[in-house]
Amino acid sequence: RKEVEQDPGPFNVPEGATVAFNCTYSNSASQSFFWYRQDCRKEPKLLMSVYSSGNEDGRFTAQLNRASQYISLLIRDSKLSDSATYLCVVNPGQGAQKLVFGQGTRLTINP
Amino acid sequence: NAGVMQNPRHLVRRRGQEARLRCSPMKGHSHVYWYRQLPEEGLKFMVYLQKENIIDESGMPKERFSAEFPKEGPSILRIQQVVRGDSAAYFCASNPSGSYNEQFFGPGTRLTVL
Repeated sequence: RKEVEQDPGPFNVPEGATVAFNCTYSNSASQSFFWYRQDCRKEPKLLMSVYSSGNEDGRFTAQLNRASQYISLLIRDSKLSDSATYLCVVNPGQGAQKLVFGQGTRLTINP
Repeated sequence: NAGVMQNPRHLVRRRGQEARLRCSPMKGHSHVYWYRQLPEEGLKFMVYLQKENIIDESGMPKERFSAEFPKEGPSILRIQQVVRGDSAAYFCASNPSGSYNEQFFGPGTRLTVL
C-alpha cells in the first residue's frame, strides 16, 4: 500500500464548476499535511497547509480527518488558471523531516 | 528574498559520466532536502542535510549517489556513472527549522542521460 494515495484523474471540468479531490495516508503518526500544486514541468508550490479544524483560503477549502486518515481539497468557482496537478503531501512524523508525496491528481479546467 | 536556486536547470550526460547538481537554499534556511521525480511519477524523497551533516539518507540509492552540504557554498547531489534510469527531474527544497513545516522548492534540474 502506498503511503499517500490519490486518484490520478484526469479531472476535466468546466470553468466555474466546483471540484473536490481526496487523498488517504497510511501512517497514523503523520504530523503535518499539505496540498501543493505543480504546473507542467515546474516545481511544486505550496497551495495550503491542512489542519484538523479545516481551513479555507479564498476559493480553496481543505479538510483533514485523522480518524479516517483522509485529506480533501475543494475548489469552488474554478478558473482556467487552476489547471494543474494537485499533490497531496504528508510529513510522516516520528522524527522524519521528509515529505511524502502522492502521485498527484491532474485537473484541467475547460472554457 | 531570492528563492531556492538550482543549477544547472538542464543537464545532459552520456552513460557512465558524472552528474553534479547544485542547490542554494533560501536565505536564512539551513535545512536542505533533495527529491527525485521520474517521468509520470510523484516526487520521492532522497536525502535531508544540514550544514556539514547528512541527517537522513533513507531515500538515496545505495550506490553511485552521494550528497553534501558544506559549511560554505551550495548543497551538491552527485551521481556517478549515470545510467538511463537516472533521467529525471531533481528538486531541492529548503526550510529554516527542519521541523514539520512546509518546504520551499527550487525550479529543479532536469537530467537526461543519453
